[in-house]
Amino acid sequence: NAGVTQTPKFRVLKTGQSMTLLCAQDMNHEYMYWYRQDPGMGLRLIHYSVGEGTTAKGEVPDGYNVSRLKKQNFLLGLESAAPSQTSVYFCASSPPPGRITYEQYFGPGTRLTVT
Amino acid sequence: AQSVTQPDIHITVSEGASLELRCNYSYGATPYLFWYVQSPGQGLQLLLKYFSGDTLVQGIKGFEAEFKRSQSSFNLRKPSVHWSDAAEYFCAVPLEGNTPLVFGKGTRLSVIA
Repeated sequence: NAGVTQTPKFRVLKTGQSMTLLCAQDMNHEYMYWYRQDPGMGLRLIHYSVGEGTTAKGEVPDGYNVSRLKKQNFLLGLESAAPSQTSVYFCASSPPPGRITYEQYFGPGTRLTVT
Repeated sequence: AQSVTQPDIHITVSEGASLELRCNYSYGATPYLFWYVQSPGQGLQLLLKYFSGDTLVQGIKGFEAEFKRSQSSFNLRKPSVHWSDAAEYFCAVPLEGNTPLVFGKGTRLSVIA
């Protein structure tokens, strides 16, 4: 049981390049999330998904797109990377609230640098 | 709107000393409350959570937290800190009526000999 995994762990992009971050979970969780972490800012929600085929915007969605084609995967895309997107990106998953948990399980993070 | 405030950005304690990390929340109803820990270069790990019932909750690694509704607080405590507790600690509350968590900005804990 690997939990939540993220690919890649590190990446350096040039301004204007595109890339996709992959998140996978093997816990059969319905809900998945993408956060970014910046020094002094805590974690901020980018997008989230409450089930396969659904996505919703979080606090800082601009410049990012997401897709949830399969229940176990949640992809985060940067179409045209900007230096302001230099950050550490965390994926998380959770059971639906009917299970009365709200507890989220986090991946190890992807460190992205945009030059 | 739901929010979480962690007033202390950085705290330094001596190994073996007691620890209290502060968390204040803004939430319309009875909140669910969480504390997560992030070791350097790692993801976040759940320390403990409060849903209802006993206001003093026990977590992993010897941590506990107390929910005080009158003070809108959920402070994290540990009676004797170990060097391995050096990390960043985040308090969190769900968006009301929704599932994503809203995180505080974090408190970085340093432990000195």
